Amino acid sequence: ETGVTQSPTHLIKTRGQQVTLRCSSQSGHNTVSWYQQALGQGPQFIFQYYREEENGRGNFPPRFSGLQFPNYSSELNVNALELDDSALYLCASSFGPNEKLFFGSGTQLSVL
Amino acid sequence: QQQVKQSPQSLIVQKGGIPIINCAYENTAFDYFPWYQQFPGKGPALLIAIRPDVSEKKEGRFTISFNKSAKQFSLHIMDSQPGDSATYFCAASGETSGSRLTFGEGTQLTVNP
Repeated sequence: ETGVTQSPTHLIKTRGQQVTLRCSSQSGHNTVSWYQQALGQGPQFIFQYYREEENGRGNFPPRFSGLQFPNYSSELNVNALELDDSALYLCASSFGPNEKLFFGSGTQLSVL
Repeated sequence: QQQVKQSPQSLIVQKGGIPIINCAYENTAFDYFPWYQQFPGKGPALLIAIRPDVSEKKEGRFTISFNKSAKQFSLHIMDSQPGDSATYFCAASGETSGSRLTFGEGTQLTVNP
């Protein structure tokens, strides 16, 4: 088990709503990366936060946004939810932007 | 150019067998190739990783073989056990992309007793 914790574990929303997912990084880690994993597929990179700044972004629209706090925990916000946003959202922390990733167990989001 | 292609999609072996999972990449800037293991309801966990300066790396029962000229790498699991039944993902990243990993689509491995 890694020290990365995510909340909530499961979430059900309806199309058009907004959602906030939370992640506490492992002790000593200053970098958080977020990934989206659709059913039966590999994780896809959403963005990374390093020292409270966005440090790289994947091919996701602006309605996916994030924050990193001074304690290095992080939030992923998704506005105007669409059915295709249904997925497992994974948070991973690391000692730095180019270091090994440690994943949490994810938040399973269902959009109805 | 950012894709990592993984095969097979699923694999069934008997206990003690040696499952082999293959991946191919296109981006020659990739220089870090990890393999992750994921159990249902859990996040991926790093198993083993390799850089292109070596052709093989072994950790316990897990071995990565790397062919730089062919842009391919594979995972071998020696003496497989039912507890190895999981989904395996290859991934790749480059110096400029840091820990931004590009994952393959995954291989669901079943090891029968």
